[in-house]
Amino acid sequence: AQRVTQPEKLLSVFKGAPVELKCNYSYSGSPELFWYVQYSRQRLQLLLRHISRESIKGFTADLNKGETSFHLKKPFAQEEDSAMYYCALSGRSNYKLTFGKGTLLTVNP
Amino acid sequence: DVKVTQSSRYLVKRTGEKVFLECVQDMDHENMFWYRQDPGLGLRLIYFSYDVKMKEKGDIPEGYSVSREKKERFSLILESASTNQTSMYLCASSFQSTLNYGYTFGSGTRLTVV
Repeated sequence: AQRVTQPEKLLSVFKGAPVELKCNYSYSGSPELFWYVQYSRQRLQLLLRHISRESIKGFTADLNKGETSFHLKKPFAQEEDSAMYYCALSGRSNYKLTFGKGTLLTVNP
Repeated sequence: DVKVTQSSRYLVKRTGEKVFLECVQDMDHENMFWYRQDPGLGLRLIYFSYDVKMKEKGDIPEGYSVSREKKERFSLILESASTNQTSMYLCASSFQSTLNYGYTFGSGTRLTVV
């Protein structure tokens, strides 16, 4: 079974502060990890994927297989980062994405 | 740009009605998915399809069925709508492997069952 845990339902930070959204997973094989974001009144969209090791909108995420984590980080939060963030996992041998319950990030001015 | 289009943004239906939610994608994706999104519960997979006429149950298939007669279209059917099926329904599609591209989502259908 594949499972994704996002321990924080809500996260509030001030503009310019660092932000870290936590994600832990459970999967017996080699996982593919993703972060999705949903801004207010917009569709859910892919933010970044671990396989590409990229930085999108200043966000990065590193897959830590030892800790089974894929935390999303940004050194200086912006107000426009306020959104719902979902961590998601699929296995290399399947294409089904399992999502966490999401973390609502609010960046205060 | 991949487009996933859900036919209705808002729907209000009565308890016991048969409800059809339609989803169309225009990028020749093999896989299509139906999720429901509820506050505090995240996204839960209802059904998915990896080919025409193929379907597989997700995590919460009870009370739902699906149809995929053409590659670009994936329909979710609520056989007899109930109030606990009031939710936001999201359709998504992807290539056979999610490795590089992940999913592309539609804008959602907010269904209210009264």
